[in-house]
Amino acid sequence: NAGVTQTPKFRVLKTGQSMTLLCAQDMNHEYMYWYRQDPGMGLRLIHYSVGEGTTAKGEVPDGYNVSRLKKQNFLLGLESAAPSQTSVYFCASTLSGQEYEQYFGPGTRLTVT
Amino acid sequence: GQSLEQPSEVTAVEGAIVQINCTYQTSGFYGLSWYQQHDGGAPTFLSYNALDGLEETGRFSSFLSRSDSYGYLLLQELQMKDSASYFCAVRDRYSSASKIIFGSGTRLSIRP
Repeated sequence: NAGVTQTPKFRVLKTGQSMTLLCAQDMNHEYMYWYRQDPGMGLRLIHYSVGEGTTAKGEVPDGYNVSRLKKQNFLLGLESAAPSQTSVYFCASTLSGQEYEQYFGPGTRLTVT
Repeated sequence: GQSLEQPSEVTAVEGAIVQINCTYQTSGFYGLSWYQQHDGGAPTFLSYNALDGLEETGRFSSFLSRSDSYGYLLLQELQMKDSASYFCAVRDRYSSASKIIFGSGTRLSIRP
C-alpha cells in the first residue's frame, strides 16, 4: 500500500514551457485534490475532483488544468508556465464524507525560471 | 468567504506544554482539523473536532468551541521531534463538494 504518490519530485521549467504532474493513490479514495504551498503560507486549493471524470475549480485555478480519467489518478497540467507558479505542489486524497482527513503525497517542488 | 487565523510562530521548551490557537470565519461550518508538517515533508492529519469539547490522542489534544468560532491544539510533554508547522483547517461546504480550507500555519520551535 503506497498511499499517495507524486511524480516528479523536482522539476525546473523555463517560462512558457508546459508540464504535467501525476498523482496516484491506491486507497480507493473518491476525492482527490491539488494544492500549492508557498513559503510561509498554508495550502491553497487549485482544483479538486469528487470522482472519475469530474473536476472542479478551487481557490487558485488560473493557469492550471486537471483531468481525472481514472479513479486512482489525478493529473495537474501547466500549459504555459510562469515564474509565479514556482511552488511546492501537493496532491491529496480522501474518502467521501471524510474530507477532514486528507492523505497527502510527498510533494513536487517546481521552479519556473 | 472563509478565513482562519493562527499565530505565525510559537516557541516552547522541551518537556513543556504549548497551545496553538485558531479562530475561523466560515459559512456551513462542519468541523476543525489539525495537520502537522515537518520541514520538507507533507502535511499529516492529527485530529478532527466536529463537536464542542476536547479530543485527546496521546500527547496531543484538540479543542473546539463552535459558539466562539475557536479551537486550539494542545501539545504536552514536548519533544524535539514536535518542531514543525501546524495548520488548522475548516471543513466547509462550497459549491457541490465539501472542501478543506487551511490556515497559514504556526511554526513551532522547541528549545532544549
